[in-house]
Amino acid sequence: GAVVSQHPSRVICKSGTSVKIECRSLDFQATTMFWYRQFPKQSLMLMATSNEGSKATYEQGVEKDKFLINHASLTLSTLTVTSAHPEDSSFYICSATGQGGRNEQFFGPGTRLTVL
Amino acid sequence: AQTVTQSQPEMSVQEAETVTLSCTYDTSESNYYLFWYKQPPSRQMILVIRQEAYKQQNATENRFSVNFQKAAKSFSLKISDSQLGDTAMYFCAFIFSTDKLIFGTGTRLQVFP
Repeated sequence: GAVVSQHPSRVICKSGTSVKIECRSLDFQATTMFWYRQFPKQSLMLMATSNEGSKATYEQGVEKDKFLINHASLTLSTLTVTSAHPEDSSFYICSATGQGGRNEQFFGPGTRLTVL
Repeated sequence: AQTVTQSQPEMSVQEAETVTLSCTYDTSESNYYLFWYKQPPSRQMILVIRQEAYKQQNATENRFSVNFQKAAKSFSLKISDSQLGDTAMYFCAFIFSTDKLIFGTGTRLQVFP
């Protein structure tokens, strides 16, 4: 149980285009989803927190207009990187919590974004 | 501010031996949750073990155990009988009142045959 999927696992795009990454909770309802960014050999950096049906809360320094987050249902959240540039290239990871709340986050397998 | 420190960027251990990874933190809160996550080369984050701060008993999961010293704000992970599959990045992490996971900088563990 408690499986989180991400799609796509890898994406390569041209500079200036937009890319959408999906995060799905497969066997539970995710009240809260989180989006992280991880640079090579570094830790996970929280980008934003999203609750179903409400606007995402972004961490300081994260551009809201660059990284659009939608949490339209209890099983799906999407991260759209708009007008992507090479500096947006990174590993993006989502996680989700169920109704148990703060005890554990379940992580997706991550998406590697490369912007040419 | 809440901070998490992992002072060992890299560690190595021989197969079947025991290794301890260190983690210290700073918080003024009294109730929180502590975790150790493993990130193998696949980069999938895997929960290794969790501890509730209000519990005095140290958590144990098979070959993995923690030494939680609340007063010292220390939360170390001991891996016994190390296996090649334990090779990974290990992150300690905490959930405080904000419900956000705060990660340490990670320790890269290499298990040698």
